[in-house]
Amino acid sequence: GEDVEQSLFLSVREGDSSVINCTYTDSSSTYLYWYKQEPGAGLQLLTYIFSNMDMKQDQRLTVLLNKKDKHLSLRIADTQTGDSAIYFCAESLSGYSTLTFGKGTMLLVSP
Amino acid sequence: EAGVVQSPRYKIIEKKQPVAFWCNPISGHNTLYWYLQNLGQGPELLIRYENEEAVDDSQLPKDRFSAERLKGVDSTLKIQPAELGDSAVYLCASSLGGGTANTGELFFGEGSRLTVL
Repeated sequence: GEDVEQSLFLSVREGDSSVINCTYTDSSSTYLYWYKQEPGAGLQLLTYIFSNMDMKQDQRLTVLLNKKDKHLSLRIADTQTGDSAIYFCAESLSGYSTLTFGKGTMLLVSP
Repeated sequence: EAGVVQSPRYKIIEKKQPVAFWCNPISGHNTLYWYLQNLGQGPELLIRYENEEAVDDSQLPKDRFSAERLKGVDSTLKIQPAELGDSAVYLCASSLGGGTANTGELFFGEGSRLTVL
């Protein structure tokens, strides 16, 4: 079955880079996603990567995918206090399949 | 363009009482999801609709939970009777669904936070 694992907590200083890691179990996963959830809000898509890609960069965000190890990471460059939130990794077998989410990583950015 | 709208945002009830949550998805989104989010956890799927058809309700506790999407647009999730363990955030999400190339992006509402006393 599908399972997504994440570390629970990460603390960084403003201006540093943050790296949030995720592992998944289903090698058939086609799309892998990073969602952000701020307090009291729903989840918002940050970025996604297709399984035939190794890397995707979008402004301050870099996603790395190691399909062999089923490992996904999200790097946030020049982390700001506004980046403090919970970040969820999610996988999907296709663009039409239900997403399976990890438990989330709480990122705390201190000034 | 309006996003996914949910109501109520907060609900406090006593155990054994009924409760209902409403969701209006983004216009044109055929697929609608109800997710359960417990404190400190990721969202877990309760039910998924393609238009008015429930295509995945395997995780919905059918003894007390029910959902409907009669006209294939807005949806209601009901719990009757509520139990203490039902305290959580109920998230509604929508997506474009089938058709042309789709990244599967889900658009979430702000959620309905339920507290059962």
